[in-house]
Amino acid sequence: DARVTQTPRHKVTEMGQEVTMRCQPILGHNTVFWYRQTMMQGLELLAYFRNRAPLDDSGMPKDRFSAEMPDATLATLKIQPSEPRDSAVYFCASGLGDRGLKGKNIQYFGAGTRLSVL
Amino acid sequence: EDQVTQSPEALRLQEGESSSLNCSYTVSGLRGLFWYRQDPGKGPEFLFTLYSAGEEKEKERLKATLTKKESFLHITAPKPEDSATYLCAVPAQNYGGSQGNLIFGKGTKLSVKP
Repeated sequence: DARVTQTPRHKVTEMGQEVTMRCQPILGHNTVFWYRQTMMQGLELLAYFRNRAPLDDSGMPKDRFSAEMPDATLATLKIQPSEPRDSAVYFCASGLGDRGLKGKNIQYFGAGTRLSVL
Repeated sequence: EDQVTQSPEALRLQEGESSSLNCSYTVSGLRGLFWYRQDPGKGPEFLFTLYSAGEEKEKERLKATLTKKESFLHITAPKPEDSATYLCAVPAQNYGGSQGNLIFGKGTKLSVKP
């Protein structure tokens, strides 16, 4: 059963600490997305990659957030330094990324990392 | 600016009481509308994609329909296990229609009481 795997599932940290979240996309998927979900804003895109290259990171605070794909099986999202306002659930999703091809642009989500910054 | 609006924010139904959820969108050149289900503590789970006005998709007690301005998710004779938040989303209009990010509505939280 192919699925997107995210670790850790929960993270509690203190303000100013570095946080690293990891994502293993579904094997064969070439597009990886990072979303953040809060009660107020809902699901918001932070960044996404195709074939490991960043395509859009306009939703990410550049001074503290960074996203990378060291290889095709691992995507990371780092926050340094973390702040209380970063508390949210962070989701990774992956997909096939074909241009408008029907049925090929579905995104599959992981279970998320719930981050609490005290 | 592309926008997705869902209503109502929350819906409480009795088991067996059919209803509909609404998703309205403002986007030029729609390239699909997606429905997801999200259970507490889990990530969104894909339900349907609709691509053209008039299209319908069904899965168990759920039926999704699409017009030029909105989509409906009809729930027929719901059961308590249908309780979840239902999200709709449209692809952002960037990169010439390739798979960019999805713009999500804030969801409708459905509660079905036995």
